[in-house]
Amino acid sequence: EDQVTQSPEALRLQEGESSSLNCSYTVSGLRGLFWYRQDPGKGPEFLFTLYSAGEEKEKERLKATLTKKESFLHITAPKPEDSATYLCAVQGETSGSRLTFGEGTQLTVNP
Amino acid sequence: KAGVTQTPRYLIKTRGQQVTLSCSPISGHRSVSWYQQTPGQGLQFLFEYFSETQRNKGNFPGRFSGRQFSNSRSEMNVSTLELGDSALYLCASSSYHQQFFGPGTRLTVL
Repeated sequence: EDQVTQSPEALRLQEGESSSLNCSYTVSGLRGLFWYRQDPGKGPEFLFTLYSAGEEKEKERLKATLTKKESFLHITAPKPEDSATYLCAVQGETSGSRLTFGEGTQLTVNP
Repeated sequence: KAGVTQTPRYLIKTRGQQVTLSCSPISGHRSVSWYQQTPGQGLQFLFEYFSETQRNKGNFPGRFSGRQFSNSRSEMNVSTLELGDSALYLCASSSYHQQFFGPGTRLTVL
């Protein structure tokens, strides 16, 4: 059974204070690891897909990295508008299109 | 390109009733997945439809069902509603392992 654990559950940063979110996973054959951003009352917004260990992807202040057991979402010099819940999900080779999600990290960036 | 649309956005029902939710995927996407999101359980997979056939199913009771039409639009139905069915129901449209979510339908069961 695929499993995803995200830490910390909540993170409070000052504007400009860089940090990282962690996503640990177990899956029988990784097809893809996904990062989403979710604002209150809205659907998850796609950020990145990572497919193999060593892969990195960047978008504005966000950078996602992947190892064989975990993924990190690095946030550089965050702004208040980066405040959201960040969700990590995995898709296994035997899962079809099913994504298994972690509980998310609620990020708050104070001005 | 228009995103995933879901209707209605909000629903209030009472226990024992049934409800039908609708999802229109991104144009050209043939796979539609449904998820339930609650504060206690997070996002959980309900089922996936591809070319009008259910291709994958999560661990939900038979009260939860769905279907897909020839234009890829999908509906999910929940019969005999229970209080615990109150949740945000999300539809995801996928192509080449990328899944894009709609805004969700907020269902409240009283």
